[in-house]
Amino acid sequence: EVQLVESGGGLVQPGGSLRLSCAASGFTFDYYAMHWVRQAPGKGLEWVSGISWNSGSIDYADSVKGRFTISRDNAKNSLYLQMSSLRVEDTAFYYCARDTLRDWGQGTLVTVSS
Amino acid sequence: DIQMTQSPSSLSASVGDRVTITCQASQDISTYLNWYQQKPGKAPKLLISDASNLEAGVSSRFSGGGSGTDFTFTINSLQPEDFATYYCQQYGHVPYTFGQGTKLEVK
Repeated sequence: EVQLVESGGGLVQPGGSLRLSCAASGFTFDYYAMHWVRQAPGKGLEWVSGISWNSGSIDYADSVKGRFTISRDNAKNSLYLQMSSLRVEDTAFYYCARDTLRDWGQGTLVTVSS
Repeated sequence: DIQMTQSPSSLSASVGDRVTITCQASQDISTYLNWYQQKPGKAPKLLISDASNLEAGVSSRFSGGGSGTDFTFTINSLQPEDFATYYCQQYGHVPYTFGQGTKLEVK
């Protein structure tokens, strides 16, 4: 069974930084691209970033480009999202997702507020 | 970026009804389209991939169709557990993009 477990969310002040992690199990992690998707409370879904199986291809939404960095460690079956220069509008549940977004974690809440 | 226009944004229906949601892509995405169900406080759940492929374990009440730019999602004989929010999402081009969602409510 595919399992994706996010961690690292919390309350941070505007301008601050946070690192999210996603622990994967139940599949061969280094076969698949991985993604981060977010959802502001009560709002729709927004793709944030994606990384290919070997980290050779990385993409970001315009809204986070230059502030967020996606990475992965295939030896640890883990995906990461380093978030810096956080803004109030980055407040959301952040989900990691596999491949074409067919499997999702339960999400971790990031709140950016003073 | 590919824009996904989903309609309606909300829908009121009764148990036993048949409902249809549409999704239009701003450019050709072949059949690279997913449909999700999301309930409050939960992650989205994939129901249909490749526009019409029903995921394992998903009720056959759900179906999808279309290709290119125009897609449909249908629920036959609505059950109480089907009242939720539904999203389409294209994965033909990066950035992946979502429709704005359809909230299905009890009439």
